Amino acid sequence: EPEVTQTPSHQVTQMGQEVILRCVPISNHLYFYWYRQILGQKVEFLVSFYNNEISEKSEIFDDQFSVERPDGSNFTLKIRSTKLEDSAMYFCASSPEGLAQFFGPGTRLTVL
Amino acid sequence: RKEVEQDPGPFNVPEGATVAFNCTYSNSASQSFFWYRQDCRKEPKLLMSVYSSGNEDGRFTAQLNRASQYISLLIRDSKLSDSATYLCVVNLYNTDKLIFGTGTRLQVFP
Repeated sequence: EPEVTQTPSHQVTQMGQEVILRCVPISNHLYFYWYRQILGQKVEFLVSFYNNEISEKSEIFDDQFSVERPDGSNFTLKIRSTKLEDSAMYFCASSPEGLAQFFGPGTRLTVL
Repeated sequence: RKEVEQDPGPFNVPEGATVAFNCTYSNSASQSFFWYRQDCRKEPKLLMSVYSSGNEDGRFTAQLNRASQYISLLIRDSKLSDSATYLCVVNLYNTDKLIFGTGTRLQVFP
């Protein structure tokens, strides 16, 4: 069964550094998403991406965040200058039709 | 008021028991509804979509009451492997994002 994959599984970085989280969505899916989950809290939407552009973003997704689909398979989330409060699990998801979404295993980001 | 509200539990039930979880949502513009399960420190996994007429998938039955803005999940014949957090999730009309509840924790014991 096809799955969303994410790398790395765990990223440790210093405050102020840039990080890039990578995702390979399911191959025939057209809609891509990033969510995050701070430890002990609920899953929160960050951004959705369709047809090579952002279709929706949350208040969390400020100017320090960006997304890119650099080729036909990868989907990346960049955090330009990490803050302590960016420490969370970041999940990539994809959907064939924009409704039910399928999540990758996540990248645990730790900002020191 | 929270957008999606769930009893956090935990629900501790013996194997073979039937257990029901409830969820309420605040926005009447919610159009799609799902139950996901999440194991500790893992990703949410889609369990089932929830349809207005109610739907069943094996031991799992989901119900939706649009008038009361209420969703339920019934698990029959609980297995040890059902132990997880069950997330009630809604999607609003004309948006892409899923809105998650904080989840209800289920622990099935032998």
